Amino acid sequence: QKEVEQNSGPLSVPEGAIASLNCTYSDRGSQSFFWYRQYSGKSPELIMFIYSNGDKEDGRFTAQLNKASQYVSLLIRDSQPSDSATYLCAVNMRNAGNMLTFGGGTRLMVKP
Amino acid sequence: AAGVIQSPRHLIKEKRETATLKCYPIPRHDTVYWYQQGPGQDPQFLISFYEKMQSDKGSIPDRFSAQQFSDYHSELNMSSLELGDSALYFCASSLRLWGASTRYGYTFGSGTRLTVV
Repeated sequence: QKEVEQNSGPLSVPEGAIASLNCTYSDRGSQSFFWYRQYSGKSPELIMFIYSNGDKEDGRFTAQLNKASQYVSLLIRDSQPSDSATYLCAVNMRNAGNMLTFGGGTRLMVKP
Repeated sequence: AAGVIQSPRHLIKEKRETATLKCYPIPRHDTVYWYQQGPGQDPQFLISFYEKMQSDKGSIPDRFSAQQFSDYHSELNMSSLELGDSALYFCASSLRLWGASTRYGYTFGSGTRLTVV
């Protein structure tokens, strides 16, 4: 079992819909959680970070963290074709120093 | 704003050759990380440096070595290249001071695409 798990997808949503991306992690002591967006052949780009239980909103993006259930999710409202990319969940685990452990990513496809 | 600079962008090498990848972190960032991303794979952590000292070590092969210099730039040296080393190599940087990197993540460079033929 990987330490950070994501459904590889592809997740296909119509333009304007809400895309919901999920991530689970194994280390209950994990401290910080990040969502990166990666276009094909490009570098990961940080879009959200969260470290407290609950929701964090930034524009069309909402990150949700539930430490008791060990999952973190990313909601994208009003999805646009330009949101089509792979979304990587990254976790800073307890005793991992500053290292982030990445999930395998979920490929999102937003259809016009 | 200045970003993480990596060079070269693309590199083609033959098997058993050596390669050197360079990374220039964001100014005042004190920590550099190297990741390897194979086709369709998630980024795999190789190694990191904090204040020019090796900090964490991941799945870096013994054929690879890295260092961080006095100006904080870092180089990843890869010897006896194998076909399986073909991948995107990302460098990322962060500011460790006050736990900024664990609170705000880190910033990736554009990557070096290494192709071993």
